[in-house]
Amino acid sequence: QSALTQPASVSGSPGQSITISCTGTSSDVGSYNLVSWYQQHPGKAPKVMIYEGTKRPSGVSNRFSGSKSGNTASLTISGLQAEDEADYYCCSYAGSSTWVFGGGTKLTVL
Amino acid sequence: EVQLVQSGAEVKKPGESLKISCKGSGYSFTSHWIGWVRQMPGKGLEWMGIIYPGDSDTRYSPSFQGQVTISADKSISTAYLQWSSLKASDTAMYYCATLITGNTFDIWGQGTMVSVSS
Repeated sequence: QSALTQPASVSGSPGQSITISCTGTSSDVGSYNLVSWYQQHPGKAPKVMIYEGTKRPSGVSNRFSGSKSGNTASLTISGLQAEDEADYYCCSYAGSSTWVFGGGTKLTVL
Repeated sequence: EVQLVQSGAEVKKPGESLKISCKGSGYSFTSHWIGWVRQMPGKGLEWMGIIYPGDSDTRYSPSFQGQVTISADKSISTAYLQWSSLKASDTAMYYCATLITGNTFDIWGQGTMVSVSS
């Protein structure tokens, strides 16, 4: 059970769109539509932004969207805002009630 | 309000034992899996394991199997993470999180900081 692969960092200017990738295997991301994305600000607990690949919890901006192709899931943030600057983690179900996180991506809003 | 409240920060010495807790409220504690997540200083999230309080079915990440024990006491709606012999490398923030809506960890505790140093 290896960690999912995310880019270490991404950046974008206010108003732009960015996409963060999350690559797993056919045993996790590729097998289930159960990828979640979490946002974590410094010193805070993670907050779910996308779940089950494409669903947004109540209260999460529609600027956040998720998708998947094969063994790779993606998080897209459109209309970047300063408050979006944070660490982002993907997490996939890996079968038998086990889960695996990605290594995390630091988003910088320029 | 659905919430998880974790026990306070701990400072321990190598070799000591420790049990930290996570108390759920506002939902049916026995009907939802609760997981534990480690975050070492300046590092990412690592999934450690999960328990179903209804029947104590427990699963571990291979990386943490044998290193920690996850348990739950459904009579007081509390999950636990314990170590029998701490190491300096156990220094980290530990979060509990539960799956309420959909297959995602949507409710998180505030975290418990564990510091292990001689």
